[in-house]
Amino acid sequence: EPEVTQTPSHQVTQMGQEVILRCVPISNHLYFYWYRQILGQKVEFLVSFYNNEISEKSEIFDDQFSVERPDGSNFTLKIRSTKLEDSAMYFCASSGGLLAEPPYEQYFGPGTRLTVT
Amino acid sequence: GEDVEQSLFLSVREGDSSVINCTYTDSSSTYLYWYKQEPGAGLQLLTYIFSNMDMKQDQRLTVLLNKKDKHLSLRIADTQTGDSAIYFCAETPYSSASKIIFGSGTRLSIRP
Repeated sequence: EPEVTQTPSHQVTQMGQEVILRCVPISNHLYFYWYRQILGQKVEFLVSFYNNEISEKSEIFDDQFSVERPDGSNFTLKIRSTKLEDSAMYFCASSGGLLAEPPYEQYFGPGTRLTVT
Repeated sequence: GEDVEQSLFLSVREGDSSVINCTYTDSSSTYLYWYKQEPGAGLQLLTYIFSNMDMKQDQRLTVLLNKKDKHLSLRIADTQTGDSAIYFCAETPYSSASKIIFGSGTRLSIRP
């Protein structure tokens, strides 16, 4: 069964450094998302991406965040200058395939745990 | 604002039914979901229901939606040890085309 994959599973970085979290969505999906879950808190929506542009973003997704689909398979989240409070589990999701799968059925990857020291 | 609330823990005996409850605040929610998270894994979409439905059944899973009370429940029949996980209630608000708003998750543990 197709699944969303994410790399790395755990990333440790120093405050102020740039990180790129990588995701490979399900191959025929057209909509892509990033969410995050700070330890002990709810899963929060960050951004959605469709047709090579951001379709929606939350207040959390400020100028230090960016997303990109650099090729036909990867979807990345870049955090330009990490802060301690960026430590969280980051989930990628995808939905909506060419075979008319509904865009609201979002399929999640296993997550990347980002630790900022 | 948009919020989803659910209790944090539920313990049931193996073979019994589990009922996980959730309340939400957005009366214009379009879709409501149940996701399952096993240790070390991502969020697995279990089932969803459109806001114009009252009930949806899928094998051992039954979802009930009470729009008047903004209450969603997930019933798991004949609960097995493999059902041990965190269950997240979630919704897509009418104001959004794409985002999902999650509850805190209910940790379901199974007693022998």
